[in-house]
Parts: sequence; C-alpha cells; structure tokens
Amino acid sequence: GQQVMQIPQYQHVQEGEDFTTYCNSSTTLSNIQWYKQRPGGHPVFLIQLVKSGEVKKQKRLTFQFGEAKKNSSLHITATQTTDVGTYFCAGDQGAQKLVFGQGTRLTINP
Amino acid sequence: EAQVTQNPRYLITVTGKKLTVTCSQNMNHEYMSWYRQDPGLGLRQIYYSMNVEVTDKGDVPEGYKVSRKEKRNFPLILESPSPNQTSLYFCASAVWQGASGELFFGEGSRLTVL
Repeated sequence: GQQVMQIPQYQHVQEGEDFTTYCNSSTTLSNIQWYKQRPGGHPVFLIQLVKSGEVKKQKRLTFQFGEAKKNSSLHITATQTTDVGTYFCAGDQGAQKLVFGQGTRLTINP
Repeated sequence: EAQVTQNPRYLITVTGKKLTVTCSQNMNHEYMSWYRQDPGLGLRQIYYSMNVEVTDKGDVPEGYKVSRKEKRNFPLILESPSPNQTSLYFCASAVWQGASGELFFGEGSRLTVL
C-alpha cells in the first residue's frame, strides 16, 4: 500500500546537540501530523501542517512541510533529556487514509 | 477530562481463546481507529470507523474484528488469537471533517498470546 517512510530509525545524540527526523510520502498529502511517544507511553499529538512550504515552531522544535506536500521534517535544537522518545509523522493521503511513518527513536546522552 | 480509555491494559492469553479489548472515548468524536505497534514497524492501522455502524479495514485487519454500535465505543475482537498477534495495541479517536484531525490515543493494551 501507500507508504510514509521515516528516517532515521534511531538517533543517539549528546545533550545539547541538534536532532532531525524526516518523512517522505509516495503520494501528495492533505496534511501531515507529528506525534511524540515517551518510553512506555502513548503517542501524543504535537502539530499538524497543512499548507505547502509551511514552517511552524514550538520552542526548540521546528516543523516543515515540503513545497510538494510529500515530505516533512522535525528539527529539535539543543536537545534536552526531556526530548527522549519516539517521534512519528502521520500523513493524510486522502480517502480516509492516515498513514504513520515507522518512527525515529531518539536517545540522549546527558 | 477528554480521554480515550482502553481495557485491559495488560493481558496474557493462550492461542484460540477469544478476547475483546474495549475502547471508549468521551469527546463525541466521529472517527475511531485501532493500531498495533511492533518494534521497527511503527503504528499499523487495523480497522477504523468514520461513524456509528461504519467500519473499514486498515492495513493489517486479518485476525481482527471490530464493531461500532455506539459513537463512544469501538471494541477490538480477536476471535482466535495467535502468537503473531502479540503486540501493543492503541485505540485512537479524532474529529474528522473532510481531512484528519488530531488523534487522541488511549494508554495502550499490551497483549501476549502464548
């Protein structure tokens, strides 16, 4: 079926380093959502991007939606230990299809 | 408090013994969905429902059934569980008006089938 590919699968950083995860869809998306799942927890909504080329910021987190609405990225500046978890993108491919990427698991060395 | 409630949170069962995982939401959301989470595979959709009495298959529906008799409830039924259904299951709900809205997830149900 239609896929949303997310890379990298794992990322380990030193506290204070930056982190980026990328999502790519095989089809144009109506919107893309980002979720964070803390270890042992459930996914929690972070943000939704709708417009081509959209950029949104939440404190140290920057979210981008590509011009073609097929790719997106989440960038965290100066990671902190509270950023640990798995980050998922979810692409709305239309026809009631919301497809999750495989997730990027972020671990941080304090 | 807006929430999605799943039960049980943990279950160990044996092959072939029918089980139901319940899911209830108190936000009057039209859309509800079940996912399973396995290492390296992310969240895969099992079934979803756009409204009462409307259910559709997701990407991995084999071995599962669902029903949506009431707006707030969306139980997941495993008629004859097998070991490959050992997984972490999440129920989610959302407003869905033309396109997807924010998904609200339950706490998860960890199922082990022996």
